[in-house]
Amino acid sequence: NAGVTQTPKFQVLKTGQSMTLQCAQDMNHNSMYWYRQDPGMGLRLIYYSASEGTTDKGEVPNGYNVSRLNKREFSLRLESAAPSQTSVYFCASILDRTSYEQYFGPGTRLTVT
Amino acid sequence: GEDVEQSLFLSVREGDSSVINCTYTDSSSTYLYWYKQEPGAGLQLLTYIFSNMDMKQDQRLTVLLNKKDKHLSLRIADTQTGDSAIYFCAESPYNFNKFYFGSGTKLNVKP
Repeated sequence: NAGVTQTPKFQVLKTGQSMTLQCAQDMNHNSMYWYRQDPGMGLRLIYYSASEGTTDKGEVPNGYNVSRLNKREFSLRLESAAPSQTSVYFCASILDRTSYEQYFGPGTRLTVT
Repeated sequence: GEDVEQSLFLSVREGDSSVINCTYTDSSSTYLYWYKQEPGAGLQLLTYIFSNMDMKQDQRLTVLLNKKDKHLSLRIADTQTGDSAIYFCAESPYNFNKFYFGSGTKLNVKP
C-alpha cells in the first residue's frame, strides 16, 4: 500500500514549456486534490475532484488544467509555464464525505525559469 | 476563500510545552485540523476536532477550540527535538470538498 504517489519529485521548466504532474492513490479514495505551497502562504487549492469523472476549481486554478483519468489517478497540467508557477505541488486524497483525513503525497518541486 | 491565520514562528526549549495558535473565519466549519510537515515531506494529519467539541486530548497533544472567538490551539506537552516541523491549521466544511489551510507555524525546539 503506497498511499499517494507523485511524479516527478523535481522539475525545472523554461517559461512557456508545458508539463503534466502525475498523482496516483491506491486507497480506493473517491476525492482527490491538487494544492500548491508557497513560502508564507500555506497550501492553496488549485483543483479538486470530488469523484471519478468530476473536477472543480479551487482558489487558484488559472494557468492549470486537470484530468481525473480514473479513480486512482488525478493529473495536473501546466500548458504554458510561468515563473509565478514556481512552487511545491501536493496531491492529496480522501475517502469520501464520511471521512475527514486527507492523505498527502510527498510533493513535486517545480521551478520555472 | 476562507481566512485561516497563524503566527509564523515559535521557539521553545526541549521539555517545555508548545502552544500553537490559529484563528479562522468560517463559522460553518465542521472539522478543524492540525497537520505536521517535516522538511521535504508532505503533510501528515496530527489530530482533528469536530466543531461541536471544546477540547480533544491525544497523548501529548491537546486541542482547544473556542468557537465564539473562532480560535483553535494545539498544545504539545514535553516538546522534543523531533517535534521541530511546520504545523498547519486547516478547516473544512461539512462536505469536505474544500480544505483551507493556514500559512503554517514553524516550531523550533532547542535542546
